[in-house]
Amino acid sequence: QKEVEQDPGPLSVPEGAIVSLNCTYSNSAFQYFMWYRQYSRKGPELLMYTYSSGNKEDGRFTAQVDKSSKYISLFIRDSQPSDSATYLCAMKIQGAQKLVFGQGTRLTINP
Amino acid sequence: KAGVTQTPRYLIKTRGQQVTLSCSPISGHRSVSWYQQTPGQGLQFLFEYFSETQRNKGNFPGRFSGRQFSNSRSEMNVSTLELGDSALYLCASSLAGGGGEQYFGPGTRLTVT
Repeated sequence: QKEVEQDPGPLSVPEGAIVSLNCTYSNSAFQYFMWYRQYSRKGPELLMYTYSSGNKEDGRFTAQVDKSSKYISLFIRDSQPSDSATYLCAMKIQGAQKLVFGQGTRLTINP
Repeated sequence: KAGVTQTPRYLIKTRGQQVTLSCSPISGHRSVSWYQQTPGQGLQFLFEYFSETQRNKGNFPGRFSGRQFSNSRSEMNVSTLELGDSALYLCASSLAGGGGEQYFGPGTRLTVT
């Protein structure tokens, strides 16, 4: 069983829809949770970075962490075609730089 | 502020050869981590360097090695290349410590034939 599970999709939604992306994990020592966006043939771009449980909002993006359920989510409001990319969740323990990634979800926003 | 840079961007090598990839972190960042990305395995951690010392290592064979210089620039080396080493190699930099955000470079795409 992988430490971090993420549905690879693909996920296709119409422009303007609310998108929900999710990851589950098994290691209760994870304290830092991230979402990266990766366009084709590019490096991952950091979207959201959260510590421990709770919500964080940045523009159209909201990240949620529920440590009791070992479940994290990323919501994208008013989705745009430019949001079409692969979204990767990542997490790490305190004191270490090693990121453990999910498989990534390929998202397409249709105009 | 300039982002993480990686050179070269593309490489084609033959089985058995060795390769060296370079990474320059964001100015002021002292930690550099390397990852391998493949369609089958996704993104996997190779190793991390801080102040010229390897602090953490992933589950890869000894053919994969790295180093960091006093200016925080880092190199990774893969010896005796195998077909399965074909991948996107990414480096990420962060300020320091265990809680910092990591910013990725564009990657080096290595093809082994």
